[in-house]
Amino acid sequence: DTAVSQTPKYLVTQMGNDKSIKCEQNLGHDTMYWYKQDSKKFLKIMFSYNNKELIINETVPNRFSPKSPDKAHLNLHINSLELGDSAVYFCASSQDTHGYTFGSGTRLTVV
Amino acid sequence: GDSVTQMEGPVTLSEEAFLTINCTYTATGYPSLFWYVQYPGEGLQLLLKATKADDKGSNKGFEATYRKETTSFHLEKGSVQVSDSAVYFCALHGSSNTGKLIFGQGTTLQVKP
Repeated sequence: DTAVSQTPKYLVTQMGNDKSIKCEQNLGHDTMYWYKQDSKKFLKIMFSYNNKELIINETVPNRFSPKSPDKAHLNLHINSLELGDSAVYFCASSQDTHGYTFGSGTRLTVV
Repeated sequence: GDSVTQMEGPVTLSEEAFLTINCTYTATGYPSLFWYVQYPGEGLQLLLKATKADDKGSNKGFEATYRKETTSFHLEKGSVQVSDSAVYFCALHGSSNTGKLIFGQGTTLQVKP
């Protein structure tokens, strides 16, 4: 069983479209995250939820909206996609400070 | 704020060579330190961690020691294999933040046969 699963793995879409990426974890962790990895491999946190409550919201355009229906799911919706949104988006979960478990990533390409 | 700095890559080594990837950090308090590895086309996997000064994390032949006096957490392996080719990320979890991991910029390792 995959611990943290993201769908889709690849997403190619046109500028201006709205898209969603889903994430589910079966580890029973309380906290989930979205990270963005740019073309130079740099990883930056976007959002963090703890038990469905938003606890971290870094400087991210409000076109990005996370939603956590329960503590096992954290979805990312992106409105009005722009070329600069092209990146790999990683979902992760954690319990306390024992390290994160990452999903395999969603490669978003905006054309 | 908290930050992590890794040595610039790419690092290219021959099989069985000794590996060192430098990592230094800036943080208040006593952070936990991690090394993650990202194989091509995959997500990040936790390689090893250390939660207090002088702790040594180790896994799959890799080691790193938490050095508070030099604020460092260098990754080492005595004999690399082609299968170790990947991107390696040093990261910290600060004692004052809300659970987020702060990553270094990543170091690409390429091991040639």
